[in-house]
Amino acid sequence: GAGVSQSPRYKVAKRGQDVALRCDPISGHVSLFWYQQALGQGPEFLTYFQNEAQLDKSGLPSDRFFAERPEGSVSTLKIQRTQQEDSAVYLCASSPQGAGWGQFFGPGTRLTVL
Amino acid sequence: DQQVKQNSPSLSVQEGRISILNCDYTNSMFDYFLWYKKYPAEGPTFLISISSIKDKNEDGRFTVFLNKSAKHLSLHIVPSQPGDSAVYFCAASRIQGAQKLVFGQGTRLTINP
Repeated sequence: GAGVSQSPRYKVAKRGQDVALRCDPISGHVSLFWYQQALGQGPEFLTYFQNEAQLDKSGLPSDRFFAERPEGSVSTLKIQRTQQEDSAVYLCASSPQGAGWGQFFGPGTRLTVL
Repeated sequence: DQQVKQNSPSLSVQEGRISILNCDYTNSMFDYFLWYKKYPAEGPTFLISISSIKDKNEDGRFTVFLNKSAKHLSLHIVPSQPGDSAVYFCAASRIQGAQKLVFGQGTRLTINP
């Protein structure tokens, strides 16, 4: 497909489980972003990659959150020992250049932690 | 600390009339502003943007106005159509340095026939 894809679309985890969320950006896009969107709120920045380099991870809420993009394309957001407060929609966006505008968003993964 | 604020959680407008969505920001370092539209179960879709060197940008039915002294921007949709019913997010960014978008809380726009 031409757009950003994310999988799974929905994930239910028991508290304490580890989860991995995948993002396939638009082919050729240099920049990749992860955002967390809580219910009724706007997306909040988590982390940013330019190619395979993670240039900004200031938004990751704790050391249980880890993101990687080893080959500069697909990215995975991993959450270890999930907590109920991790329940949210996780959005991935990609951009053709290193600027903050023109970000194209995927449909998101809705994570529910029971 | 909410750096980008959309104080109206919802707005209802009659079809054919003008919809005006408002956004305020506090960080004077922001120099690029965007509006995104979001339908349920989909990711946000880019609508229109404006840089801080301009005070107006127009694209078809959508116009964004920026008042830097007031740290305020607005999105005008005219005429409003039923397909415009969605949640609208205002976002801000710095062109230099930080790459992230800072979003407001969103405004749910409903267009009534």
